[in-house]
Amino acid sequence: GAVVSQHPSRVICKSGTSVKIECRSLDFQATTMFWYRQFPKKSLMLMATSNEGSKATYEQGVEKDKFLINHASLTLSTLTVTSAHPEDSSFYICSALQYRYNEQFFGPGTRLTVL
Amino acid sequence: KNQVEQSPQSLIILEGKNCTLQCNYTVSPFSNLRWYKQDTGRGPVSLTIMTFSENTKSNGRYTATLDADTKQSSLHITASQLSDSASYICVVSRVGNAGNMLTFGGGTRLMVKP
Repeated sequence: GAVVSQHPSRVICKSGTSVKIECRSLDFQATTMFWYRQFPKKSLMLMATSNEGSKATYEQGVEKDKFLINHASLTLSTLTVTSAHPEDSSFYICSALQYRYNEQFFGPGTRLTVL
Repeated sequence: KNQVEQSPQSLIILEGKNCTLQCNYTVSPFSNLRWYKQDTGRGPVSLTIMTFSENTKSNGRYTATLDADTKQSSLHITASQLSDSASYICVVSRVGNAGNMLTFGGGTRLMVKP
């Protein structure tokens, strides 16, 4: 099956710093990737759609200046949490859309803790 | 409004027992329904996928059913194991190629005890 990786798996940072999370599709090209946020005991909440070579589309209520998304290649999308605050602490999951099967494959997630 | 409701929210069973998780949806136009297993601190992993014409799909000890008329699905786990402890998420996909066509259920948290 298709494999999606995320790096790092865990990150702890201080308030005010920026953190970059990478999402890679390892064995297929993905022109579209998605970023989700998940709070404890809750389901995934879509933050934004990342399209290779163009600007990301953000869901209502998601601050585009705080959550910067770059999709510079067909296998890599990055999410940068800028000027992180403790309330940004969460589990971030990406997925990559494999068009052949019209299916999203999810990454293992990144646990962000902001002190 | 496109919605996916799952029940129960949480469930505790003894190892070796069977259980059934429920999913009701109001997503339209319907494309397919997937059940995912999500271990704590991990991303979701697909268990089954069913299209409109499929009534049942098995994957080892997991059997999913779909009633497209009543818009209900279930996931039956047979002879549960400790490793089955996880969240199970029902995800319904709408027809279309633009953007994210998925609607997520809230998940059922299953705990299997020895």
